[in-house]
Amino acid sequence: DSGVTQTPKHLITATGQRVTLRCSPRSGDLSVYWYQQSLDQGLQFLIQYYNGEERAKGNILERFSAQQFPDLHSELNLSSLELGDSALYFCASSIGQGAPNEKLFFGSGTQLSVL
Amino acid sequence: QKEVEQDPGPLSVPEGAIVSLNCTYSNSAFQYFMWYRQYSRKGPELLMYTYSSGNKEDGRFTAQVDKSSKYISLFIRDSQPSDSATYLCAMRAVRQAGTALIFGKGTTLSVSS
Repeated sequence: DSGVTQTPKHLITATGQRVTLRCSPRSGDLSVYWYQQSLDQGLQFLIQYYNGEERAKGNILERFSAQQFPDLHSELNLSSLELGDSALYFCASSIGQGAPNEKLFFGSGTQLSVL
Repeated sequence: QKEVEQDPGPLSVPEGAIVSLNCTYSNSAFQYFMWYRQYSRKGPELLMYTYSSGNKEDGRFTAQVDKSSKYISLFIRDSQPSDSATYLCAMRAVRQAGTALIFGKGTTLSVSS
C-alpha cells in the first residue's frame, strides 16, 4: 500500500458529463501529481500541485482542471467528457516540490469509462 | 520522435531467465532515471533509481544508464513468476522548471514457472 488514496476506483458516465476524481496524498507529502494512462499513450503527466499551488503542467486538456485544497487532498475535474477520455487516472504524491530525485508514490487509480 | 521510447513487448521468459528491459530517449537534459513496476490494476511502484551514467544493483535487479547512447536498461536475474508485470522507465531533467517525470509506455513481462 503506497499510502495514496484515490476515489472512486471505477467511474462510468456518459459523453458530455462532468466528473470529479479525488486523491489524498501520503501523510506528510506536499506535492500531488495527476497522470492519465491509456493503452495507446501510456502514462501521461497532466498537472502537479505543491502545497496548494500549481507547480507544473503537462498535456492537460482545457476541459480538465485540478486543485489542491488546504488539507492537501486534490481533485481532478473532467468536463464535457468524450469517449477518448476513457482511461486510468492516477494520482501520485511526493514530499517536496518536485526535485528531480524525488520519489513518486502512486495510488491505485480511478478507471474512467465514458460511454 | 517521442521523448522516451520503450518496446511494449510482451516479453515471455521461463523462470530463472535473465531479463533485459530497455528504453531510449532523445532529451539530453535527462539526468535522473527510474524504473517503475506496475502490476495489473495497480499503480506504478518505484523499483530502481539512478542518477546520470553508470550501474546500480539492488538484489536481482541492475539498472544501467548509458548517456552517450541515450539508452537505459534494467536487468532482472533469476526471474520469478512474481516479476510478471509491466515495467516502465521514467526520467527527468535536472534544471528544467515546471517539469515532471516522463514515462515510457512500458514493457509487459511474463515469467512462466
